[in-house]
Amino acid sequence: GAGVSQSPRYKVAKRGQDVALRCDPISGHVSLFWYQQALGQGPEFLTYFQNEAQLDKSGLPSDRFFAERPEGSVSTLKIQRTQQEDSAVYLCASSLERGRQETQYFGPGTRLLVL
Amino acid sequence: DAKTTQPTSMDCAEGRAANLPCNHSTISGNEYVYWYRQIHSQGPQYIIHGLKNNETNEMASLIITEDRKSSTLILPHATLRDTAVYYCIVRVAGRGYGGSQGNLIFGKGTKLSVKP
Repeated sequence: GAGVSQSPRYKVAKRGQDVALRCDPISGHVSLFWYQQALGQGPEFLTYFQNEAQLDKSGLPSDRFFAERPEGSVSTLKIQRTQQEDSAVYLCASSLERGRQETQYFGPGTRLLVL
Repeated sequence: DAKTTQPTSMDCAEGRAANLPCNHSTISGNEYVYWYRQIHSQGPQYIIHGLKNNETNEMASLIITEDRKSSTLILPHATLRDTAVYYCIVRVAGRGYGGSQGNLIFGKGTKLSVKP
């Protein structure tokens, strides 16, 4: 079946530009997660949704980062006024059940380069 | 911080078994051992998880020591496509309703290179 999809796969932005990254989770999955992966590092948690509710945004690095999932399906991660340190791969994952203890399935990621 | 310790890198000959170790000496009684891998330019892929019994699926086997302080992921017949970074993660698992202890906390993992 279809897995988690993300778009765009690659994004180049000029410093100060706003970007929006999209995640389509596996159909029917209740929980959705965003991670940030810097070069050579493991993914780091950003935020967690249960349906449309954002239950944890403790990993968002600054108030320039904003995520939403208005209908409990597709999610968008928005980064305002991008900085060079925002360059990373942004990964989305989903899991079937409520709660974050279930097995998470990842998308291919969006590679963001801020110049 | 990650609760696990893994070697930075390992090599394995194609067709041979790859044995990837992981130390998790501070694991709690309600924490599972999870393994994910990440092939270059892809997202992490779930492999297997276990609590205290050994587990096997179509991808790999997971051997957990009796004291649960370490485990080994075994790829029985490694192929070139198994070249990836392998992450060992301990986390609370099972049905639940939140709580940051369920978060996946990745370390740097083990870079496994399968060579012809």
